[in-house]
Amino acid sequence: DGGITQSPKYLFRKEGQNVTLSCEQNLNHDAMYWYRQDPGQGLRLIYYSQIVNDFQKGDIAEGYSVSREKKESFPLTVTSAQKNPTAFYLCASSIDGGQGKLFFGSGTQLSVL
Amino acid sequence: SQQGEEDPQALSIQEGENATMNCSYKTSINNLQWYRQNSGRGLVHLILIRSNEREKHSGRLRVTLDTSKKSSSLLITASRAADTASYFCATDELNDYKLSFGAGTTVTVRA
Repeated sequence: DGGITQSPKYLFRKEGQNVTLSCEQNLNHDAMYWYRQDPGQGLRLIYYSQIVNDFQKGDIAEGYSVSREKKESFPLTVTSAQKNPTAFYLCASSIDGGQGKLFFGSGTQLSVL
Repeated sequence: SQQGEEDPQALSIQEGENATMNCSYKTSINNLQWYRQNSGRGLVHLILIRSNEREKHSGRLRVTLDTSKKSSSLLITASRAADTASYFCATDELNDYKLSFGAGTTVTVRA
């Protein structure tokens, strides 16, 4: 059953703590993306990767970090430098990073304790 | 940067009615896509229309694109309760492979 799996579904962060959101895909897609969604707003791009071992900053990369060591995996770390991390985080992938459609995971809701 | 902007922000209709929402964008694009999001879930791709196309259909969905006005519309015909969701347009600018999403239109279909 192909798709994108995000975990956990809910995550709580204490002040000063780094947390990592997992994103795994078995679609054999080259490109992967992380978006942030705030209530009532659209999606804002945090980071994207078009190929293994390479990634680029999106529009709101400050306070976040990523890695792309494997084609299937694109974890996102929300660092303590991100002062307003409460949001819904969505991971997506596409076949080749071109202008094709995105496949999304079911999201992770991150809240601050 | 957010390029697309949907209108209206919210829409409430009776089951069986049609729902129309619009998307405007600022710069020239390669493609425009529409996505649906159910509450608390990920987005699902609905339809992609290329910049050289003017209209596209998929089931009960009809999308139009007017590149001279930099706008698109999504029509859902004969709406059902299951169509209740938020709908987003997404554009990719020329020479840029990143999609920019609008803030979405929230559609409520009343039984």
